[in-house]
Amino acid sequence: SQQGEEDPQALSIQEGENATMNCSYKTSINNLQWYRQNSGRGLVHLILIRSNEREKHSGRLRVTLDTSKKSSSLLITASRAADTASYFCATDGGSARQLTFGSGTQLTVLP
Amino acid sequence: NAGVMQNPRHLVRRRGQEARLRCSPMKGHSHVYWYRQLPEEGLKFMVYLQKENIIDESGMPKERFSAEFPKEGPSILRIQQVVRGDSAAYFCASSPSDRPREGYTFGSGTRLTVV
Repeated sequence: SQQGEEDPQALSIQEGENATMNCSYKTSINNLQWYRQNSGRGLVHLILIRSNEREKHSGRLRVTLDTSKKSSSLLITASRAADTASYFCATDGGSARQLTFGSGTQLTVLP
Repeated sequence: NAGVMQNPRHLVRRRGQEARLRCSPMKGHSHVYWYRQLPEEGLKFMVYLQKENIIDESGMPKERFSAEFPKEGPSILRIQQVVRGDSAAYFCASSPSDRPREGYTFGSGTRLTVV
C-alpha cells in the first residue's frame, strides 16, 4: 500500500455522532498533517502533529499519532452536515520538502 | 489576504495543445509546490520551487512538463502537447518557509480536461 493510507475509504454517520478516520504510513516522518477537501475544491489544512507528539486538539478535532505503529487517527466530535468532505492525511518525512498524501476518506454526515 | 490564487479554475485543451496553469502564492510566501490529483485519488507531488529556482522536481514527468517561479509574477506549470492522461486537477500550495509549522496553504486548483 502507499505511504499515508486512510481507512475507511468511506464513512457515513448521523449528525451529532463522532467520526474516526485512520491513517497508516510506511517510512519515518517529521510530521503528519490532516487536510480536508470539499467536493471540487482545494485542500484546507486542519492540523499538524509532529513526530514527538502523541496527541493534539483543535476545536472539535483530535489527532493522535503512534510512531511505533506508524499510524494516526483523526476524530471529529459532534459532527455536522458541513463536515461532509474528503479527509486526507499527508506525511512530511526525511529531507524531501514534499507531502505524501493518502487516497482519503470520504465522510458523509447525514442531517 | 487572498490566499493562494490559481487560474484558470477550469481549462479544456485538445490533444497536442499546450496548457499553462498559473499560481500566485499567498503574500509573503516564497515557496511554491505543485501537486496533481487524479479522480478518486490523493494528491501526488510534482515540483517544489522557490523564487527563480527549482528545488525538487522529482515528481515531474520527464517530458512535456515544466515549471517556473520567476522573480516577478506567478508560478507557471506548463504542459506541452497534452494527452488525455494529463486530465486531472492541479493544485498549487505555498508556504513562508520550507518546513512551515502550520502546514501548507493550497489553492482551489485548476481542473484540466484534455479532449
